[in-house]
Amino acid sequence: AQSVTQLGSHVSVSEGALVLLRCNYSSSVPPYLFWYVQYPNQGLQLLLKYTSAATLVKGINGFEAEFKKSETSFHLTKPSAHMRDAAEYFCAVESFPGGYQKVTFGTGTKLQVIP
Amino acid sequence: ETGVTQTPRHLVMGMTNKKSLKCEQHLGHNAMYWYKQSAKKPLELMFVYSLEERVENNSVPSRFSPECPNSSHLFLHLHTLQPEDSALYLCASSQEAAGEPYHTEAFFGQGTRLTVV
Repeated sequence: AQSVTQLGSHVSVSEGALVLLRCNYSSSVPPYLFWYVQYPNQGLQLLLKYTSAATLVKGINGFEAEFKKSETSFHLTKPSAHMRDAAEYFCAVESFPGGYQKVTFGTGTKLQVIP
Repeated sequence: ETGVTQTPRHLVMGMTNKKSLKCEQHLGHNAMYWYKQSAKKPLELMFVYSLEERVENNSVPSRFSPECPNSSHLFLHLHTLQPEDSALYLCASSQEAAGEPYHTEAFFGQGTRLTVV
């Protein structure tokens, strides 16, 4: 079964600093991976997705993620944090157990941006 | 309206009450989902409806009863809930294709914050 593990439930960075949120996956087949963001009192919004077309995936709001098969990782990065990036971020993996799409989420990482 | 809309946004109910959560999607999608988001726990997939047919029920207690009358609407009927059922309930939709998967994203509603007292 596919799964993802997010390292660190809370990450704090200073405004303008590099953001790095870690995600490792476990999958017996080539995985299809997503990063979602959840702002306070909101639902989840897709940041980016990896579907094997390119290992470096660019998403919205300046975020990107790199798929590394050798490390089974799909870490999310942003060169310069902004206050509006404060939110919870979820890594997720897609599977098709019975002919329908199933997305399994990680436990989430809350990003705090310090002014 | 566009996207996925959930009502109500907040709900407080007693353990003996019966209530329903509503989800409506305006995206023309053919699959809808209910997720439960509790503090300090991963998002839990509760129910999946594909082409209006329930295809997965992740061992959810019978006090939760889903209904999908058409591809645009999804309900979650609640009765005799427990305090531990207090959580954010999220609805999502996506467009699935038969055969090869599209790897399409799921679109989420803003959720219903449920408190059971």
